[in-house]
Amino acid sequence: AQSVTQLDSQVPVFEEAPVELRCNYSSSVSVYLFWYVQYPNQGLQLLLKYLSGSTLVKGINGFEAEFNKSQTSFHLRKPSVHISDTAEYFCAVSEDSGYSTLTFGKGTMLLVSP
Amino acid sequence: EAQVTQNPRYLITVTGKKLTVTCSQNMNHEYMSWYRQDPGLGLRQIYYSMNVEVTDKGDVPEGYKVSRKEKRNFPLILESPSPNQTSLYFCASSLSGLGFETQYFGPGTRLLVL
Repeated sequence: AQSVTQLDSQVPVFEEAPVELRCNYSSSVSVYLFWYVQYPNQGLQLLLKYLSGSTLVKGINGFEAEFNKSQTSFHLRKPSVHISDTAEYFCAVSEDSGYSTLTFGKGTMLLVSP
Repeated sequence: EAQVTQNPRYLITVTGKKLTVTCSQNMNHEYMSWYRQDPGLGLRQIYYSMNVEVTDKGDVPEGYKVSRKEKRNFPLILESPSPNQTSLYFCASSLSGLGFETQYFGPGTRLLVL
């Protein structure tokens, strides 16, 4: 079975600073990796996903993530954050084996202050 | 507009009083799922459905029931709610449940059981 670890429960950062949200996964088979974002009082929406091919994946709102198979990581980055990026970010994994459930990490709250 | 809707958005009830949270999607998706979100625990899957009349347990099914009589609807039933079911609930859907698919989430239902 797959699992996801998000080591940071909260990441405070100043506006216009760069940010990295860390995600590590565990699985015995090949995986698909996702980042979802949850803005206050809203449901989750997809930020980006890695299926195959290039290990650098670009998503919405200027975010990108890099898949590193040897380190089993899928860290999310943004070079310059805005106040509006304040949200909770969830890393998730599913297995590359046909039908598969999506397993989420515990989430990282990104707090952007002026 | 393609969307997943949930009702009600907020609900306060008392221990033991049966309740149903509705979920509906207009994207003709075969796969639907219920999650609960608790602080520090991320999202955990309660039940999922691969198609009409096909449902299966997720990671935390105790105390919940579901049904899938129509493709678009996937209600969550708490027959005898208890305080430990106080949580934020999300319904989600995807095209067919394959691992690489994006899941689309409803806005959430915040439940308080007294």
